[in-house]
Amino acid sequence: DVKVTQSSRYLVKRTGEKVFLECVQDMDHENMFWYRQDPGLGLRLIYFSYDVKMKEKGDIPEGYSVSREKKERFSLILESASTNQTSMYLCASSSTPGRARYEQYFGPGTRLTVT
Amino acid sequence: KNQVEQSPQSLIILEGKNCTLQCNYTVSPFSNLRWYKQDTGRGPVSLTIMTFSENTKSNGRYTATLDADTKQSSLHITASQLSDSASYICVVSVYSNDYKLSFGAGTTVTVRA
Repeated sequence: DVKVTQSSRYLVKRTGEKVFLECVQDMDHENMFWYRQDPGLGLRLIYFSYDVKMKEKGDIPEGYSVSREKKERFSLILESASTNQTSMYLCASSSTPGRARYEQYFGPGTRLTVT
Repeated sequence: KNQVEQSPQSLIILEGKNCTLQCNYTVSPFSNLRWYKQDTGRGPVSLTIMTFSENTKSNGRYTATLDADTKQSSLHITASQLSDSASYICVVSVYSNDYKLSFGAGTTVTVRA
């Protein structure tokens, strides 16, 4: 079974703090993704990475950065947390398009509260 | 703009009953459509995935249909169980760019005994 794990299930941070969210996958997938999920909205893509040290902006990258130093690990960084970044953050991974019908596998999510 | 609209926003059904969830999309060009189930506090888990040429796909008590001409999909839950209580999310991908997915806001299903 594909396993995607996230470092924290719940996180409370103060405004202005630097926040790191970690994601690890164990299936040797090339692609990894960070989404945020807010009530009444669909998942929105923040960043994705298709290879080590490679990244592309998603739909809402402002206020976020990412790091992928190893294939299995993808980190989301909030440089200076703000209250409007309070949300559920979901990590996902997938193999290259063309294999396994490109299924995305999601982690359990991190519920971040910024006070 | 590619959009995915789901209805109803939420519904409550009695255990053992059937229900149908709707998904309309404007994504073009279309590649595939997926339905995910998301339990409270968990990440989404895939139920079905359908390409342009498939108009129905089943996974146990879940049956998804796709009409690519009208850009509509439905998810039918048969003989609902308490464990079916979850959010169901319709997701559509654009041809040649499977990195970019368009997500619906989801339908929250509550199954009551």
